[in-house]
Amino acid sequence: QSALTQPPSASGSPGQSVTISCTGASSDIGRYNYVSWYQQHPGKAPKLMIYDATKRPSGVPDRFSGSKSGNTASLTVSGLQAEDEADYYCSAFGGGNNWLFGGGTKLTVL
Amino acid sequence: EVQLVESGGGLVQPGGSLRLSCAGSGFTFSIYWMHWVRQAPGKGLVWVSLIHPDGSGTDYADSVKGRFTISRDNAKNTLYLQMNSLRAEDTAVYYCARGLRATSGFGDYWGQGTLVTVSS
Repeated sequence: QSALTQPPSASGSPGQSVTISCTGASSDIGRYNYVSWYQQHPGKAPKLMIYDATKRPSGVPDRFSGSKSGNTASLTVSGLQAEDEADYYCSAFGGGNNWLFGGGTKLTVL
Repeated sequence: EVQLVESGGGLVQPGGSLRLSCAGSGFTFSIYWMHWVRQAPGKGLVWVSLIHPDGSGTDYADSVKGRFTISRDNAKNTLYLQMNSLRAEDTAVYYCARGLRATSGFGDYWGQGTLVTVSS
């Protein structure tokens, strides 16, 4: 059982928006803004899409945005494109040098 | 160009040992926290361990504590993961990932991964 809870799947049509949630606890997501989101295509290494809950690394399209409220963080993908189809993982600082991952969400572009 | 290249994976029997390496290039290796993350076949990502830039501090996931040791050689720009008392559940692709500058977090760069299979 993962420490952070994500829905196993999400889907949307090209051009639509989809939001993936990541629920933790008051000791991790609720306490720190150190939440990251990663995109992983099959057979590839993960790619950082969002860090510090809302910040985008250079090179990541602004169609990807992050937010956080209470113990839940969210990743929104706007203007869905075929290449956005991938697995998405959230990660959060759990305190005491410990890092947590969610179980992952498979995003399907219909 | 920043690169992380893992090596050292392979097939090992339960109870055996293996040492993974992660060679960094294209950046000043000695100023970055470094992490290991693993992914069992068909499963999600799991954080394994981290190490301070100068090697003075380390931490581990409970599942590997006491069995795995993370270390680094900044003169060789290389990160290591010594894995002892290996179990079937340690079977996974192991990735090294660079820590972020100016904030906590990691993963702006990842290696390609190295597969560790624990089986008799």
